[in-house]
Amino acid sequence: GEDVEQSLFLSVREGDSSVINCTYTDSSSTYLYWYKQEPGAGLQLLTYIFSNMDMKQDQRLTVLLNKKDKHLSLRIADTQTGDSAIYFCAESSSGGYNKLIFGAGTRLAVHP
Amino acid sequence: GAVVSQHPSRVICKSGTSVKIECRSLDFQATTMFWYRQFPKQSLMLMATSNEGSKATYEQGVEKDKFLINHASLTLSTLTVTSAHPEDSSFYICSAPLEIETQYFGPGTRLLVL
Repeated sequence: GEDVEQSLFLSVREGDSSVINCTYTDSSSTYLYWYKQEPGAGLQLLTYIFSNMDMKQDQRLTVLLNKKDKHLSLRIADTQTGDSAIYFCAESSSGGYNKLIFGAGTRLAVHP
Repeated sequence: GAVVSQHPSRVICKSGTSVKIECRSLDFQATTMFWYRQFPKQSLMLMATSNEGSKATYEQGVEKDKFLINHASLTLSTLTVTSAHPEDSSFYICSAPLEIETQYFGPGTRLLVL
C-alpha cells in the first residue's frame, strides 16, 4: 500500500542548512509536497514538486526528487529559529483533488 | 493570508454530546473538501472526503454515523462528531484544493471530550 516515511527529528545550528528526507512507496505519485506545522496550528504549504521534475527552488527552499529511489528531500538554507516546526512530506497520485498521504513528520529544532 | 478557515479553534464538551466543526473556503469555491484527524505527535490521517451536492466518502474504519459530514454550500463543509467520547479527543483539520495541484489546510480544531 501507500506509505511515506520520514526521520522523526533533526537538530541544526542557526545559520546552517537543514536537510529533511522522505521516502515513499507509491510509484504512481505525481505530486509531492512539503508542509510546515507550528505548535497548535494547521499546515502551511511550503512547496510542492511534480514527479517529472528533479529539483525545485524557492528562495531558501530547495526540493530534490529522485524518482528512481522514491526519495524526496527538503533543504532549508540559512536556517533560522523561526524555522523550528514539524515538517510533513506528503504525496498524491493526482494532485490537490485527491487525498494526501502524509509521513509522520520531522521535528526540526534550531539552536543558537 | 489564510484561504481556509475553521470554527471553532478549540472546543471542550461533555461525553455524549455532539460537536459541530465548520470548514470554510475563503474567496473561492470548493466542491471538494477533506477532513483529517491528527493525534498528538502523529501524522494526519484522512477521515473523509466531503463533496458538495452528494454524500461524503469515508475512509476505511471511519464510522459515517459518528462523524457526520455535510457540504452545505460551495464554501462550507461541516463535521459533526456525534455522541462524543474521550477517545474522539483529537485535532481535526480540514483542507480544500485551490488549484489542481495543491490542498490548503485550515488552522485546525482541537476537540477535548471530558
